[in-house]
Amino acid sequence: LAKTTQPISMDSYEGQEVNITCSHNNIATNDYITWYQQFPSQGPRFIIQGYKTKVTNEVASLFIPADRKSSTLSLPRVSLSDTAVYYCLVGDPRGNTGNQFYFGTGTSLTVIP
Amino acid sequence: EPEVTQTPSHQVTQMGQEVILRCVPISNHLYFYWYRQILGQKVEFLVSFYNNEISEKSEIFDDQFSVERPDGSNFTLKIRSTKLEDSAMYFCASRATTTGMNQPQHFGDGTRLSIL
Repeated sequence: LAKTTQPISMDSYEGQEVNITCSHNNIATNDYITWYQQFPSQGPRFIIQGYKTKVTNEVASLFIPADRKSSTLSLPRVSLSDTAVYYCLVGDPRGNTGNQFYFGTGTSLTVIP
Repeated sequence: EPEVTQTPSHQVTQMGQEVILRCVPISNHLYFYWYRQILGQKVEFLVSFYNNEISEKSEIFDDQFSVERPDGSNFTLKIRSTKLEDSAMYFCASRATTTGMNQPQHFGDGTRLSIL
């Protein structure tokens, strides 16, 4: 059972880098780690996905240590529009291997002007 | 950009009634999922569906729930004999399959189900 935990909330000033960590001690070998952003009354929006080491795209970076028991989402230079809830999702994206998917508890990020 | 669409956006149903939530996944996607989010809580996995059958379901997904892909475009979640505790946001997601790559799930904006 891949239990995932995250800090409940974080505050940051505009323009700063924000790092949000998710703990997933029981991650399975085939599990990937995916991060989502959610605004009120909307569905989760994909940010980034990785399996190990570091992944970077145009909006974020994802750091995964060698033991894969945690992951850190890094948002560079946040703006007010980044105020949202951020979730990690752990599971096997191939989906047909019998694994379930586990969302983290969610981190509510508030960006302050 | 293609997106997952869900209807209705809000469904109000009397306790004990059956309800069907509808989803149109992204057209070339082959994996489909349902999740729920009770107000103020995290998103919870319900079921995954591939090749016209359930590939995995959580303990939440009991005999009260069923899923179906009745045609080439829709993916439905049926809840029989609804209970008050079924009130939640229900999200549909779909995922492409691309050889050699692991594609993420893409979510719709959900159906808010209110049981009275």
